[in-house]
Amino acid sequence: AQSVTQLDSHVSVSEGTPVLLRCNYSSSYSPSLFWYVQHPNKGLQLLLKYTSAATLVKGINGFEAEFKKSETSFHLTKPSAHMSDAAEYFCVAGGTSYGKLTFGQGTILTVHP
Amino acid sequence: DTAVSQTPKYLVTQMGNDKSIKCEQNLGHDTMYWYKQDSKKFLKIMFSYNNKELIINETVPNRFSPKSPDKAHLNLHINSLELGDSAVYFCASSYGRPGDTQYFGPGTRLTVL
Repeated sequence: AQSVTQLDSHVSVSEGTPVLLRCNYSSSYSPSLFWYVQHPNKGLQLLLKYTSAATLVKGINGFEAEFKKSETSFHLTKPSAHMSDAAEYFCVAGGTSYGKLTFGQGTILTVHP
Repeated sequence: DTAVSQTPKYLVTQMGNDKSIKCEQNLGHDTMYWYKQDSKKFLKIMFSYNNKELIINETVPNRFSPKSPDKAHLNLHINSLELGDSAVYFCASSYGRPGDTQYFGPGTRLTVL
């Protein structure tokens, strides 16, 4: 069984400051992990994914995430927030047969000018 | 080119009606999925088809019936709509292997009055 916990339901930052969105997972096997972003009234877009090749994963729009097995974490970071980053972010675990995904509860990122 | 498309984008209907949502993907994927996003933005898988065969069927009421005429299409038919069916429904597709990225459609917002 898998579960994903996003530790913050809301994160608020100022434009130009770092972003940290936290995610912990629980899995009985080595999972695949993803971050998706959902802008208001839009579908889900893949930011990045981890599939055991490298623990530090770079994604689109300057985001990156680090897989830490000892901490069962997969936190998403970005050095400098942009107004266009304001959206909801989902941490997702996969890796089962036929690709069943387990979603976290989502973190809403607000970026202030 | 649209990778995963859904129609309609919005659907407003009365309780008790029957409605369908269509999904098509042009990515050549073998596996397609339906997800439900509730009012709290939580996403949960409903169904998955691999090469027209049902492979994931979560605890979804019998009123929901997926149909896959070919591996590029997965439609969702809902009978006797209830107020609680109001949600955003997302279609997705992938190659179905563990770790494969799922590509999501833009979503269909269903409102049951």
